Amino acid sequence: DTGVSQDPRHKITKRGQNVTFRCDPISEHNRLYWYRQTLGQGPEFLTYFQNEAQLEKSRLLSDRFSAERPKGSFSTLEIQRTEQGDSAMYLCASSSGSGSWGNTIYFGEGSWLTVV
Amino acid sequence: GESVGLHLPTLSVQEGDNSIINCAYSNSASDYFIWYKQESGKGPQFIIDIRSNMDKRQGQRVTVLLNKTVKHLSLQIAATQPGDSAVYFCAENGGSSNTGKLIFGQGTTLQVKP
Repeated sequence: DTGVSQDPRHKITKRGQNVTFRCDPISEHNRLYWYRQTLGQGPEFLTYFQNEAQLEKSRLLSDRFSAERPKGSFSTLEIQRTEQGDSAMYLCASSSGSGSWGNTIYFGEGSWLTVV
Repeated sequence: GESVGLHLPTLSVQEGDNSIINCAYSNSASDYFIWYKQESGKGPQFIIDIRSNMDKRQGQRVTVLLNKTVKHLSLQIAATQPGDSAVYFCAENGGSSNTGKLIFGQGTTLQVKP
């Protein structure tokens, strides 16, 4: 257990429904990241926060996706009008600094989304 | 474009043998590299990292080697155990040392035979 908590661990939803995932990072970490991972592939970067500020968003993050970190602690990732192509594992990660040398990025166990 | 790739999708080794997992990267600006282990149904678990001004770094039963000349990274696991069975990913920062954004390869599955 790395200390990064994600909820729910599994979600099955019908196409067109909205879903929200929550991430609680390691308590002293000011950086929080969201990645997406599909079967057989490595994780792909979606977005990251430093405290409450969202500093970068990947082009993978369409306008149906929105992430927030309102108080600089936990974060939510919402997907509106889900599509079957959104089926994936959504990974949250956190680090105490920039995620470079000396500031390891730790991942949670992920939230599996299946859109039917 | 940027890519991080692994030479072999699956590596099968005998318990007790040493394992070597290879990774090639294409972005010469990358200055930080990490190996993660991912077990089935779980998130990536940090194993070891290395920065570009180093050639080698050792951890507990693991060693990472970096060859910047040919943009190659390898993970060596000594005395491989059944618990080492997992998918191993290398990741690089693409030179974005102040964002923490990582670029992952596709992964190598390590199978340990008893």
